[in-house]
Amino acid sequence: QVQLVESGGGVVHPGRSLRLSCTASGFTFRTYGMHWVRQAPGKGLEWVAVISYDGSNKYYADSVKGRFTISRDNSKNTLYLQMNSLRAEDTAVYYCAKDHFEFSTVTPGYWGQGTLVTASS
Amino acid sequence: QSVLTQPPSASGTPGQRVTISCSGSRSNIGSNSVIWYQQLPGSAPKLLIYSNTQRPSGVPDRPDRFSGSKSGTSASLAISGLQSEDEADYYCAAWDDSLNVVVFGGGTKLTVL
Repeated sequence: QVQLVESGGGVVHPGRSLRLSCTASGFTFRTYGMHWVRQAPGKGLEWVAVISYDGSNKYYADSVKGRFTISRDNSKNTLYLQMNSLRAEDTAVYYCAKDHFEFSTVTPGYWGQGTLVTASS
Repeated sequence: QSVLTQPPSASGTPGQRVTISCSGSRSNIGSNSVIWYQQLPGSAPKLLIYSNTQRPSGVPDRPDRFSGSKSGTSASLAISGLQSEDEADYYCAAWDDSLNVVVFGGGTKLTVL
């Protein structure tokens, strides 16, 4: 069955960097677009970024553009989110999600359990 | 301020039918498929409806209780035969062609009275 396991969250000072990972299993990782979506404490869902199945296309929310970078390693079935210049407002649970359709980037489908990132001094 | 507009709350009694609305614009709901998610307390979101009306395999037992619809720039999620375990937050989403992002609604908290 599909499994997505996020890791790399933690407490970090504002202005510092953190890299999240999402290890996938149970499906053909290299044929699916992958998303990052976050949820601040007590708030709604905010889409962060998506990467196409082959890494050739990437899209970002305006709130993270220029600071966050999404990438993937299909040989390791792993998705990444490099987060630089973190701000207090980046504090959230970060979920990775597999697109519902092969070769698509518009329909987050199955979600992992999330990893908490706290940007605080 | 979310790009898609949902009512912040909804409620119903067991067995009742409840609908949750989601309003957008031409560049998102008007041009692309609507997705619905259910987020139970303390859990990750789960895909409930995709492509406006389709239910994925693995939707909670009695999958026909959840249905989606879309008309123009609005969409709705209907839950029939309301059960206590349906208490959750529900989110709509869609790709936005102008922004090149996935946009979400603010979420609707469903209470079963």
